[in-house]
Amino acid sequence: GAGVSQSPRYKVAKRGQDVALRCDPISGHVSLFWYQQALGQGPEFLTYFQNEAQLDKSGLPSDRFFAERPEGSVSTLKIQRTQQEDSAVYLCASSFNSGLHSTDTQYFGPGTRLTVL
Amino acid sequence: GESVGLHLPTLSVQEGDNSIINCAYSNSASDYFIWYKQESGKGPQFIIDIRSNMDKRQGQRVTVLLNKTVKHLSLQIAATQPGDSAVYFCAEKAYQGAQKLVFGQGTRLTINP
Repeated sequence: GAGVSQSPRYKVAKRGQDVALRCDPISGHVSLFWYQQALGQGPEFLTYFQNEAQLDKSGLPSDRFFAERPEGSVSTLKIQRTQQEDSAVYLCASSFNSGLHSTDTQYFGPGTRLTVL
Repeated sequence: GESVGLHLPTLSVQEGDNSIINCAYSNSASDYFIWYKQESGKGPQFIIDIRSNMDKRQGQRVTVLLNKTVKHLSLQIAATQPGDSAVYFCAEKAYQGAQKLVFGQGTRLTINP
């Protein structure tokens, strides 16, 4: 498929475990975004990459959250020592352009539903 | 807009009727607005967008209206179909060149047969 893909689709973790969530953006898309969506709410911004550079991480809720995109394509969101409040759907989005224009459309993946017990 | 947690506003319409979904925003400097549709278990899907220098834009069966005076955005869906059932979110970018999307409160649209 040509869309954004994410894996795993579902992840159950025990409190205190580390998790890694993967995002494969649309091929050729320069910009990549991570959002967190709590149940019944709209997505909230976590972080943004332009190629391999992480240009904005203002939305990461704590230093337990870490994202990387080492080769400017696939990205991984890592959450260390998971807590129950981390339970949410984690959405990845990508856009084609370099981020110079506000109107670059962000295309979302299906998300990873994380449940922390 | 602010989230209302688990209690999403709900709009129920009859199949074939027109739907109007509203969204208020607070940042008068917002440059760009987008409507997304999110079906259960899926990520948000782009529907239509509008720049702040416009007040109306039309797509296929959808129209977005922007009233900057009262900071209000609406999505009109013509001849609503069962496949339109979903949660609809408005989103904005805070300024020209901004990258992150700020999502508003969602509205759950239910279509009655």
